[in-house]
Amino acid sequence: SAVISQKPSRDICQRGTSLTIQCQVDSQVTMMFWYRQQPGQSLTLIATANQGSEATYESGFVIDKFPISRPNLTFSTLTVSNMSPEDSSIYLCSGQNNEQFFGPGTRLTVL
Amino acid sequence: QKEVEQDPGPLSVPEGAIVSLNCTYSNSAFQYFMWYRQYSRKGPELLMYTYSSGNKEDGRFTAQVDKSSKYISLFIRDSQPSDSATYLCAMKQGAQKLVFGQGTRLTINP
Repeated sequence: SAVISQKPSRDICQRGTSLTIQCQVDSQVTMMFWYRQQPGQSLTLIATANQGSEATYESGFVIDKFPISRPNLTFSTLTVSNMSPEDSSIYLCSGQNNEQFFGPGTRLTVL
Repeated sequence: QKEVEQDPGPLSVPEGAIVSLNCTYSNSAFQYFMWYRQYSRKGPELLMYTYSSGNKEDGRFTAQVDKSSKYISLFIRDSQPSDSATYLCAMKQGAQKLVFGQGTRLTINP
């Protein structure tokens, strides 16, 4: 399977600021996804990142809060905008051809 | 009722024991079944991937799917301390999104 890297691996941010997380896959993938995982919890899908078009968001997630880009088949970004402490979580990038695999995650703390 | 139910544990067993992890689901249209292993502070790692009913074996790991009962299992033989992790079941229908279980936290005691 392909290897996914994410940057940054962790960050501590102030309330009201924004953070952009980068996701790089070492080979082309058909689908890319962004998930959120609270400590000790399962994964919640935020959106499907579509190449060259707007992302498809799940219920409860909106583009203004979580803008996503996917300029090509190996790269995507997720921005967490106007952050509040409730946004503190692990954000995971995922890629899929046949099987679906995950990056190491970005641990975000908002103060 | 959740689409996928998984006992969150925690589950603690002695080294060398056989571990059984299970998930039940309600959507009979699910076709693809996966088990992921997630170590602390890491992303989920795909462990097993099966299609339809039956068994699949990979080393010490066996994945079992019983579509008639809407029940999947992961068996770990000769468990090792390095198997200590959270195990997540996941499943999907065709090209639909993955649906995850809650995850079972497993500890293997030396």
